[in-house]
Amino acid sequence: NAGVTQTPKFQVLKTGQSMTLQCAQDMNHEYMSWYRQDPGMGLRLIHYSVGAGITDQGEVPNGYNVSRSTTEDFPLRLLSAAPSQTSVYFCASSLGHFNEKLFFGSGTQLSVL
Amino acid sequence: GDSVTQMEGPVTLSEEAFLTINCTYTATGYPSLFWYVQYPGEGLQLLLKATKADDKGSNKGFEATYRKETTSFHLEKGSVQVSDSAVYFCALSDATNAGKSTFGDGTTLTVKP
Repeated sequence: NAGVTQTPKFQVLKTGQSMTLQCAQDMNHEYMSWYRQDPGMGLRLIHYSVGAGITDQGEVPNGYNVSRSTTEDFPLRLLSAAPSQTSVYFCASSLGHFNEKLFFGSGTQLSVL
Repeated sequence: GDSVTQMEGPVTLSEEAFLTINCTYTATGYPSLFWYVQYPGEGLQLLLKATKADDKGSNKGFEATYRKETTSFHLEKGSVQVSDSAVYFCALSDATNAGKSTFGDGTTLTVKP
């Protein structure tokens, strides 16, 4: 079982560049979300989606865009990368959006120079 | 808003020692509580969960009891092993907050032989 698949695993960007982090799940989960993990700050929610065509902002949405055109895919777009966006990014999904455990991808380590 | 506070780390123990990682929470509603574990280079995975007061979650020798009166969900293990070395995250999911998960900052555990 593939579970939650994130690509790429590593990425280096220059300030001002744009890119898309890919996330796909094969479990038919309705709920998907993006987190960033920074030292000493735990995981912070960037954006989330409760189903295809529905997205909403989390705790730290600025500088990021998302879309959910299919149940399986939930890409995260960095519009104009900044050094403050250097972080490890995790995509997660769950069957529902409450009381259900999250399944995490293996993460994308992003460095913005 | 919702919040989760974990004991600060890092925690270093000898093999077979007793482990406690404290976790307290603040939530508007009546949340479900989770412990996730992150091994080096991997995404988070669920360790255990509890969905109502006095529930005890358990897995792989780890236990945590949902204490509504003290708003706590402390993680315990009677005898740790080197393989338990990882980062542990306490988290909650609150239906009154669109089911979004809120994470603590994580506690790094190192077990020495």
